[in-house]
Amino acid sequence: DQQVKQNSPSLSVQEGRISILNCDYTNSMFDYFLWYKKYPAEGPTFLISISSIKDKNEDGRFTVFLNKSAKHLSLHIVPSQPGDSAVYFCAATFGGSNYKLTFGKGTLLTVNP
Amino acid sequence: DVKVTQSSRYLVKRTGEKVFLECVQDMDHENMFWYRQDPGLGLRLIYFSYDVKMKEKGDIPEGYSVSREKKERFSLILESASTNQTSMYLCASSFRGMTYNEQFFGPGTRLTVL
Repeated sequence: DQQVKQNSPSLSVQEGRISILNCDYTNSMFDYFLWYKKYPAEGPTFLISISSIKDKNEDGRFTVFLNKSAKHLSLHIVPSQPGDSAVYFCAATFGGSNYKLTFGKGTLLTVNP
Repeated sequence: DVKVTQSSRYLVKRTGEKVFLECVQDMDHENMFWYRQDPGLGLRLIYFSYDVKMKEKGDIPEGYSVSREKKERFSLILESASTNQTSMYLCASSFRGMTYNEQFFGPGTRLTVL
C-alpha cells in the first residue's frame, strides 16, 4: 500500500510563474516530510523539509506547506526557472530511530522559457 | 560536503552474471541505503544498514543481497542478474543523529542486464 502519493506524474509551467507540486500521505504517524529534486543521470538532492508540528517552511524561492488534517503537503516554487526542471520526490519519515524515508513516485516539472 | 560515490555510472551485464555495485561515503554516516529507481515507480528501497555487519530488508529485497564490512562501504550484490533488474541503482547515506533523516545520494549506477 502506497503511503506517500504524488498523483501528478508531470507538471508544466511558464518561467516566472508559480509551480505547485502536491503530495498526500496516509500514515498520520509520519513526523517529518522532505522534498528532493532529481536531474536525469544524477542522484536526488535534498531541497527542503518540514516537521509535522509546523505548517510552513520557507527557503528562498521554495516553500513547503503542510496540512495535517488533510494529510497533504505541497511545494511552491516562486518564481519558477528553467533550471528547476527536474523530477521532484516527496518523502516522509517517522523520525527517531526509524531512519527510513518513504518516497512518492515523483512529479516531473518542466519550466518553459 | 558529504560525498557518496558509486563505483560505476553505467554497467552492462549478461543474464545470470553475479553483479557487484559498490558505494562509499566519506562523512562517517552510520546509515546506508540501496534503492532502485524505475519510471513510474519512484524510489524503492532494496536494503539498508544501520551499522557495520548489520543489514535490513527493504521493500523489494528479492534477488539482491548486501554486504557492509566497513562503515564507509555498502555493497549491493545481484546473485544472478535478470533482465527485470535493469534499472537505475542509487546509494544513500544518513547521519544517525539527524532529526528528519535527510539522506545523501550518490550519482547512481545505470545497470542494463541483457
